[in-house]
Amino acid sequence: DAKTTQPPSMDCAEGRAANLPCNHSTISGNEYVYWYRQIHSQGPQYIIHGLKNNETNEMASLIITEDRKSSTLILPHATLRDTAVYYCIVRVARAGNMLTFGGGTRLMVKP
Amino acid sequence: GAVVSQHPSRVICKSGTSVKIECRSLDFQATTMFWYRQFPKKSLMLMATSNEGSKATYEQGVEKDKFLINHASLTLSTLTVTSAHPEDSSFYICSARVGGSGYNEQFFGPGTRLTVL
Repeated sequence: DAKTTQPPSMDCAEGRAANLPCNHSTISGNEYVYWYRQIHSQGPQYIIHGLKNNETNEMASLIITEDRKSSTLILPHATLRDTAVYYCIVRVARAGNMLTFGGGTRLMVKP
Repeated sequence: GAVVSQHPSRVICKSGTSVKIECRSLDFQATTMFWYRQFPKKSLMLMATSNEGSKATYEQGVEKDKFLINHASLTLSTLTVTSAHPEDSSFYICSARVGGSGYNEQFFGPGTRLTVL
């Protein structure tokens, strides 16, 4: 699976949009971009995933660049409960393929 | 989304004892479950992949005789930490893959915090 690079930490004001970047310059054509988050002392929570088109769900939006070498997770109106470590993972959607976690970005939403 | 539970959520044990952690998929069948370990302020590290009805596949550096994994049914996998030592104190998290999902999504349990005295 391709390696990803994320900033170790970011701050965001409550109510503002949080934009979390991820670089995956070695991504292959059959690899998806997944985002998970982990709130302190809990298991990771699935947020969103995509292949090449932008995706949106009730939690977030995922913007993938045309060359697929980077992506941005957008939390449109961050709340204090969005404070967590956000992991960007690139992987092939294949049966039995596990998730490999990097360092992630520690997002702190401040009042 | 699919729900994965773990039991217990916290356990404190004496050095030398064995501890069993259960991972259950509550509303789906999971042919594959994964066990992760997480030390404070660190990322999740995969320990092993567990397939129903077969032996688990362990990652390099993980002792299979110390971390016994059993995946006897499509909804239950167990991790037993044998002869636990203080260095085994960690946050253990399981995840289950939704069978048949084209996108191969994984759902995680809430984790089990193990403290070995």
